Amino acid sequence: GAGVSQSPSNKVTEKGKDVELRCDPISGHTALYWYRQSLGQGLEFLIYFQGNSAPDKSGLPSDRFSAERTGGSVSTLTIQRTQQEDSAVYLCASSLDRNSGNTIYFGEGSWLTVV
Amino acid sequence: DAKTTQPTSMDCAEGRAANLPCNHSTISGNEYVYWYRQIHSQGPQYIIHGLKNNETNEMASLIITEDRKSSTLILPHATLRDTAVYYCIVRVRISIANQFYFGTGTSLTVIP
Repeated sequence: GAGVSQSPSNKVTEKGKDVELRCDPISGHTALYWYRQSLGQGLEFLIYFQGNSAPDKSGLPSDRFSAERTGGSVSTLTIQRTQQEDSAVYLCASSLDRNSGNTIYFGEGSWLTVV
Repeated sequence: DAKTTQPTSMDCAEGRAANLPCNHSTISGNEYVYWYRQIHSQGPQYIIHGLKNNETNEMASLIITEDRKSSTLILPHATLRDTAVYYCIVRVRISIANQFYFGTGTSLTVIP
């Protein structure tokens, strides 16, 4: 399909381990977002990439979280030394990021469980 | 920070219109109102968006008040598959970024 693709769809990891979550945005979309959603909660903004500009990292909750976007396409969200409170679904979205009428499209998320 | 307030939950009878309200009293002139919905265990799905005028598409209608301080999403004939959490979002332009701030949304239950 041509939608936003995320992997893995589910990940169980031990506390203290590092995890990497991958996002393939829709082809041609210049903007990419990462959100986190804890059980029963709304979406929490993490980070935003737009083209070659410096990313907006204002939503990252701690220095254990980082993300990169290589070649303006695929993005990887890395969580180091995972904690139980990191358990959540991590959602990626992308958009054309026009000035007007912009719409973001979400993937199905990566469900992370830290045990 | 979410710039919108919505009721926590609502019920609607199957086949009737579902009217979901949203307050965005601090919205600025160039900020769009977006609606998304999230069915359990899935990623949020785009429904509709608007700036000033009312909008309609195959999924829903969006009614925005003249002062733009509130809006209503209308699902004209709700079905059981419309049971979901509905998010009203104001898209904020910050520097080069379009920011979408999600609140906790309205949990809509369509009742048979």
